[in-house]
Amino acid sequence: DAKTTQPNSMESNEEEPVHLPCNHSTISGTDYIHWYRQLPSQGPEYVIHGLTSNVNNRMASLAIAEDRKSSTLILHRATLRDAAVYYCILRANYGGSQGNLIFGKGTKLSVKP
Amino acid sequence: DTEVTQTPKHLVMGMTNKKSLKCEQHMGHRAMYWYKQKAKKPPELMFVYSYEKLSINESVPSRFSPECPNSSLLNLHLHALQPEDSALYLCASSQDRQSTYGYTFGSGTRLTVV
Repeated sequence: DAKTTQPNSMESNEEEPVHLPCNHSTISGTDYIHWYRQLPSQGPEYVIHGLTSNVNNRMASLAIAEDRKSSTLILHRATLRDAAVYYCILRANYGGSQGNLIFGKGTKLSVKP
Repeated sequence: DTEVTQTPKHLVMGMTNKKSLKCEQHMGHRAMYWYKQKAKKPPELMFVYSYEKLSINESVPSRFSPECPNSSLLNLHLHALQPEDSALYLCASSQDRQSTYGYTFGSGTRLTVV
């Protein structure tokens, strides 16, 4: 499974934008980039996913580098409820691992009031 | 209904007990998954079911036995567990294994083996 690299932790101030980076230099052409977050004492929650183009939804935006070797999850205005561990995951579209989500260590985001 | 429901939320069991974890979804998803998560670690994939058939067993010990009786239900049968099996057990579902859309996770069952 292709690996991702994320900072262990990041801090943000409430109501400011947050940019969470992810490196995935070994990504294959058919891997989708998925982001999930896990709040304390809860299961992971889907945030956003994309293949090549930037994506927006009600929760966040996903910016994907042109060479697809990195991506950035953007929370436009952080709130205290956004404090969580954010996971960047490559989801294979072919082969024996097709469709599997294999979690890396993630980034623990802290939001200060 | 857009949820994955896991029961029980908490379970304490002895090493000689047999217990089962239950997971249910009514979104019409045809792929279902079991994950294990130790404290302060990421979730680890255990089993993958696709159209009610076991597709992947990630070398999980036989004291964990999954079962998918129908397309909405996924069970994890537990027998002769060890204290190191204490963890949060998460169930998830997705449209199917080929879909590029996201998973929906349950809130998990927190298992303590004594």
